[in-house]
Amino acid sequence: SYELTQPPSVSVSPGQTARITCSGDALPKKYAYWYQQKSGQAPVLVIYEDSKRPSGIPERFSGSSSGTMATLTISGAQVEDEADYYCYSTDSSGNHVVFGGGTKLTVL
Amino acid sequence: QVQLVESGGGLVKPGGSLRLSCAASGFTFSDYYMSWIRQAPGKGLEWVSYISSSGSTIYYADSVKGRFTISRDNAKNSLYLQMNSLRAEDTAVYYCARGSSGPDSIYFDYWGQGTLVTVSS
Repeated sequence: SYELTQPPSVSVSPGQTARITCSGDALPKKYAYWYQQKSGQAPVLVIYEDSKRPSGIPERFSGSSSGTMATLTISGAQVEDEADYYCYSTDSSGNHVVFGGGTKLTVL
Repeated sequence: QVQLVESGGGLVKPGGSLRLSCAASGFTFSDYYMSWIRQAPGKGLEWVSYISSSGSTIYYADSVKGRFTISRDNAKNSLYLQMNSLRAEDTAVYYCARGSSGPDSIYFDYWGQGTLVTVSS
């Protein structure tokens, strides 16, 4: 079955840039999406179609994709950005969707 | 505004059954794919199933295929998940999510707050 691989954790100081990666064999041909999940809350979409930002998501959140890797970048990370982040995409068939294992972002 | 409210979770014995419901409001329910996604305690997100707007297209994760059935009632703006032959590993918070059509797959733009299913003797 198809898998997306993320680092378990990333840690930055407030104001620094945080980068969270997601690797998958189908990413050169399939879009990546990113979700933020704060403790005890439902996930929230922060990036769709590799690099688009939904309304209401701060500009410091951006996304990119190159080859088999997608990247979520948080420029000037803030304490309130501490959360688990999940990438999401689909296998080559487009019918089965999958989440990455998640990355815990610590900002302190 | 979009609202998704799950219900039906609870404690069930291994081998038992449970039916989850999701009440949708704030959008034209019959225009959208809908999905169930779960999260075991302390673990990551796992997609379970999705259903097309008309109900004609359905997909399941291998882990639940043959045991779970997704359905919808567009007249009632409701999504369902019938879960049979439950196992301890099905213990999770189950989220209902709205699916929007991207260029090459659906993605989930709104989520409910989830309902907890615990499978234990």
